[in-house]
Amino acid sequence: GNSVTQMEGPVTLSEEAFLTINCTYTATGYPSLFWYVQYPGEGLQLLLKATKADDKGSNKGFEATYRKETTSFHLEKGSVQVSDSAVYFCALRAGGTSYGKLTFGQGTILTVHP
Amino acid sequence: GAVVSQHPSWVICKSGTSVKIECRSLDFQATTMFWYRQFPKQSLMLMATSNEGSKATYEQGVEKDKFLINHASLTLSTLTVTSAHPEDSSFYICSASHGLAGGSQETQYFGPGTRLLVL
Repeated sequence: GNSVTQMEGPVTLSEEAFLTINCTYTATGYPSLFWYVQYPGEGLQLLLKATKADDKGSNKGFEATYRKETTSFHLEKGSVQVSDSAVYFCALRAGGTSYGKLTFGQGTILTVHP
Repeated sequence: GAVVSQHPSWVICKSGTSVKIECRSLDFQATTMFWYRQFPKQSLMLMATSNEGSKATYEQGVEKDKFLINHASLTLSTLTVTSAHPEDSSFYICSASHGLAGGSQETQYFGPGTRLLVL
C-alpha cells in the first residue's frame, strides 16, 4: 500500500537557521506529493506540491523537489523564522482507485526560537 | 482562499451518547468531503470519503454504523459518532474539495478540527 515516512521530531532551530525535513514515500504509479502545515489552533494548509518527477514546489521560502529515483520529497528553507513554528505533514495522493485520497506522514513539529 | 469551518471546535460528552460534528465549505461548493481522525502525535487517518447526494465510502476498519456521515448539500457534511465511548476520543478533521476527485487540480481545504472527549 501507499505510505509516507517523515523524519521524527520535534525539530528545534534558531531563527535564520537552515531547515530540512526529510520525507520518503512508497506508492504505486506516479503519485502527487504535498507538504501541509498546521499552525497552532488552525486547520491544515497546503504549503506546496509537486505532481511529477523533478518538479519543484515552492511557497513562502519553502521548497521541495520530487525525486522519483530516491522516492523523496524533502522540505527545505534557507532561513526560518519564529512564525514558521508549526507542524509539517508530508502527504501523497496516488491515482487509480485511490483517487482523491491523501496519505499523510506522521507530522514533524518545528519550533523556531528567536 | 477557500475556507472550511467545523462546529463545534470541541465537545465533551458522556459515554453512550451521540455527537454530531458539522463541516461546512463557506465560499465554495464542495463536491467531495473527507473525514479524518488524528491521534495525539500521530498522522491523520482517513475515515471516509463522501460525495454530495451519495453514500460515503468508508476506509477499511472504520465502522460505518458507528461513524455516520451525511453529505446532504454541496456545502455541508456531518459526522455523527453514535454511542460514543472513551476510545472514540480524538481530534476529527474534515476537508473539502471542489474539484473532481482525482483530478489533477483537485485541492483539499481543511477545517480546523473538532476535539471530542468522551467521559
